[in-house]
Amino acid sequence: EPEVTQTPSHQVTQMGQEVILRCVPISNHLYFYWYRQILGQKVEFLVSFYNNEISEKSEIFDDQFSVERPDGSNFTLKIRSTKLEDSAMYFCASIGLAGAQETQYFGPGTRLLVL
Amino acid sequence: RKEVEQDPGPFNVPEGATVAFNCTYSNSASQSFFWYRQDCRKEPKLLMSVYSSGNEDGRFTAQLNRASQYISLLIRDSKLSDSATYLCVVQEYYSSASKIIFGSGTRLSIRP
Repeated sequence: EPEVTQTPSHQVTQMGQEVILRCVPISNHLYFYWYRQILGQKVEFLVSFYNNEISEKSEIFDDQFSVERPDGSNFTLKIRSTKLEDSAMYFCASIGLAGAQETQYFGPGTRLLVL
Repeated sequence: RKEVEQDPGPFNVPEGATVAFNCTYSNSASQSFFWYRQDCRKEPKLLMSVYSSGNEDGRFTAQLNRASQYISLLIRDSKLSDSATYLCVVQEYYSSASKIIFGSGTRLSIRP
């Protein structure tokens, strides 16, 4: 079964450093998402991406965040200057079509720890 | 009012029991509804979509009541492997995007 993959599985960084989280969505999917989940809290939507541009973003997704699809397969989330509160699990998800019942497939996540 | 609200639990039930979870959503324009399960420190995985007519998948039954903005999940003959957090997810559609909102989840623990 095709799956979404994410790298790295874990990342530890110092406050103020830049991090790039990588995702490889399912190959024929067209819509891509990033979510985060702070430990013990709910999954929060960050951003959706379609046709090489952001289609929707939440209040969390401020100027410190950016997304890119640099080479047609990878989908990256960059945090420019990490803060302690950015520590969370970051999930990538992809979807094939915008059909009403289309399923989102989640990657296994990257656990980010900011010290 | 929270956009998607769930009883956080935990529900602690014996193996074989029937357990029901509820979820309410605030936006009447919401169009798609799902139940996901999430195991500890893992990604959410789709359990089932929820249709207006109600739908069943083995031991799992999901119901949607649009008038009351209420979704339910029933698990019959619960197994130890059903222990997880169950997430209610609501999707709203706009002209060029969709918004996906997760509930905080209901924790279920099945005991032998």
